[in-house]
Amino acid sequence: EAGVAQSPRYKIIEKRQSVAFWCNPISGHATLYWYQQILGQGPKLLIQFQNNGVVDDSQLPKDRFSAERLKGVDSTLKIQPAKLEDSAVYLCASSRGQGQIYEQYFGPGTRLTVT
Amino acid sequence: AQSVTQLDSHVSVSEGTPVLLRCNYSSSYSPSLFWYVQHPNKGLQLLLKYTSAATLVKGINGFEAEFKKSETSFHLTKPSAHMSDAAEYFCVVSDRPGGGNKLTFGTGTQLKVEL
Repeated sequence: EAGVAQSPRYKIIEKRQSVAFWCNPISGHATLYWYQQILGQGPKLLIQFQNNGVVDDSQLPKDRFSAERLKGVDSTLKIQPAKLEDSAVYLCASSRGQGQIYEQYFGPGTRLTVT
Repeated sequence: AQSVTQLDSHVSVSEGTPVLLRCNYSSSYSPSLFWYVQHPNKGLQLLLKYTSAATLVKGINGFEAEFKKSETSFHLTKPSAHMSDAAEYFCVVSDRPGGGNKLTFGTGTQLKVEL
């Protein structure tokens, strides 16, 4: 089966600009996650969706970050305006369900550089 | 709150020698523990997981890990390293009460395999 798809793979923007990332999860996966991975650190969960509803966005900087999954399939993550500290790899993952028995499958990520 | 500590940021071994990547965890509940591997420019891949069954867990590519509750450890081992094992490895804990699978990642261990 096809894996988690993300685009773009790389993005360079200036601070205060806006940017959007797209994720297409594995077909049939109800749960979708966005992670931020800063260089030298492990991924950190930003937001989790179950179908088109938000399960956990406690670590999402809501003053500048937003995410949606309108039809319960694809998702977009937006940053507006971007700051230098937003430079990171943004990973999308999906799983069949929310329980611990369900493996999360990760996409290749989008590497964002803010100058 | 849950957390993991990866005790070594870099490990270097010779091909054919054993691998040991160390991980200690902290959890308020009965945790599930995972090891993920990240090769350059590729998505995170699950190596193995512990979910309260057998304490010695076998994963892909000859890796295994042992859950030791008394030591709060979940070290990753492999009897004989291969060049293709060179990658970054993440220890991960999940202990959301009532189910769910919020993953908390360690900071990673970069494994280098030399000829």
